Amino acid sequence: DQQVKQNSPSLSVQEGRISILNCDYTNSMFDYFLWYKKYPAEGPTFLISISSIKDKNEDGRFTVFLNKSAKHLSLHIVPSQPGDSAVYFCAATFGNEKLTFGTGTRLTIIP
Amino acid sequence: KAGVTQTPRYLIKTRGQQVTLSCSPISGHRSVSWYQQTPGQGLQFLFEYFSETQRNKGNFPGRFSGRQFSNSRSEMNVSTLELGDSALYLCASSLASQGPQYFGPGTRLTVL
Repeated sequence: DQQVKQNSPSLSVQEGRISILNCDYTNSMFDYFLWYKKYPAEGPTFLISISSIKDKNEDGRFTVFLNKSAKHLSLHIVPSQPGDSAVYFCAATFGNEKLTFGTGTRLTIIP
Repeated sequence: KAGVTQTPRYLIKTRGQQVTLSCSPISGHRSVSWYQQTPGQGLQFLFEYFSETQRNKGNFPGRFSGRQFSNSRSEMNVSTLELGDSALYLCASSLASQGPQYFGPGTRLTVL
């Protein structure tokens, strides 16, 4: 049972435009959500997180939005840069439970 | 602060052998989690240790085991290796029970 889903395996965006990555979850117990970025043959890098008491969190070019009623979160990257090309994973958890990861979205920024 | 370190970075073994991977968390972090990443499978959770106790466990066979030491360093052991165990094994540490996990660079295991 895939509790965290990233339905778009890949996404291509022009440099300078906005990249929007989406993530859906099914477990209503989840109350903490994270986004990670991963380059090939490296460990994932933590980008940004959001608690369920908020609906938006911003850090530089990265903004995460949470819609609890729709069980949906999204990551916005503005403006997109070539170095943003990577695989992006969303993850969710609650309490002391393990992080549950989505299957990832490969983002390609076109110069 | 030094990040999460994993040793070795690369390992080649043959079927039937066993392997031990090591992870040193960020200083002060007490939670260490292990993941397996294979092409097309995303990040599969193996187990998590907190203060030397296994707190969470994924759906892997008993050939996969781990432990955590009093200094929070952790080891993962895989016995009777199979070809399908070839993967990138990632370790992550976190400070609090709910907070970001910070990943190491991984150990690339190849089973021939």
